[in-house]
Amino acid sequence: DVKVTQSSRYLVKRTGEKVFLECVQDMDHENMFWYRQDPGLGLRLIYFSYDVKMKEKGDIPEGYSVSREKKERFSLILESASTNQTSMYLCASKQRPAKDRTYEQYFGPGTRLTVT
Amino acid sequence: DAKTTQPNSMESNEEEPVHLPCNHSTISGTDYIHWYRQLPSQGPEYVIHGLTSNVNNRMASLAIAEDRKSSTLILHRATLRDAAVYYCILRDYRNFGNEKLTFGTGTRLTIIP
Repeated sequence: DVKVTQSSRYLVKRTGEKVFLECVQDMDHENMFWYRQDPGLGLRLIYFSYDVKMKEKGDIPEGYSVSREKKERFSLILESASTNQTSMYLCASKQRPAKDRTYEQYFGPGTRLTVT
Repeated sequence: DAKTTQPNSMESNEEEPVHLPCNHSTISGTDYIHWYRQLPSQGPEYVIHGLTSNVNNRMASLAIAEDRKSSTLILHRATLRDAAVYYCILRDYRNFGNEKLTFGTGTRLTIIP
């Protein structure tokens, strides 16, 4: 079974702190993703990575950065946390798609981050 | 990727079949139809996907209209564990360099014991 784990289920940080959210997958997937989920807005893509050291901005990258030094690990960084970054953060991984084929994304359990 | 429309919420009785509709009138010929669900306090999980033909797996069935402008996720015998938000998503398989899945707000399914 594919497993995607996230470092914390719940996290409380203060405004201005640097925050690291870690995600690890054990299925050798090339692609990894960070989403945030807010009531009424659904899931929104922050960043994704299609290979080690490769990253692309999603829909809402402002205020975030990412790091992918190893294939199995994808980190989301809030350089200076703000209260509007209070949210549920979800990591996902996926096998690199082949031509005319699609694969499912596997999600972690989520980290509920509160910035006070 | 094209847009989908789903009802905000539905209710069903336990042990009865559930039909969750999704409209996607602007679907293109290369869009796959994906369904994910999100159980309370968990990340989304894959349910099923299809392109043109109806599909079955151990979790559900996917019925796709002949013109592909709509589809229905069928849970054959709902249990309390099926209470979740169900998302219908289109994904153009040509865009395999663009991996974004666009989740809408989905359908919140309530199962009545």
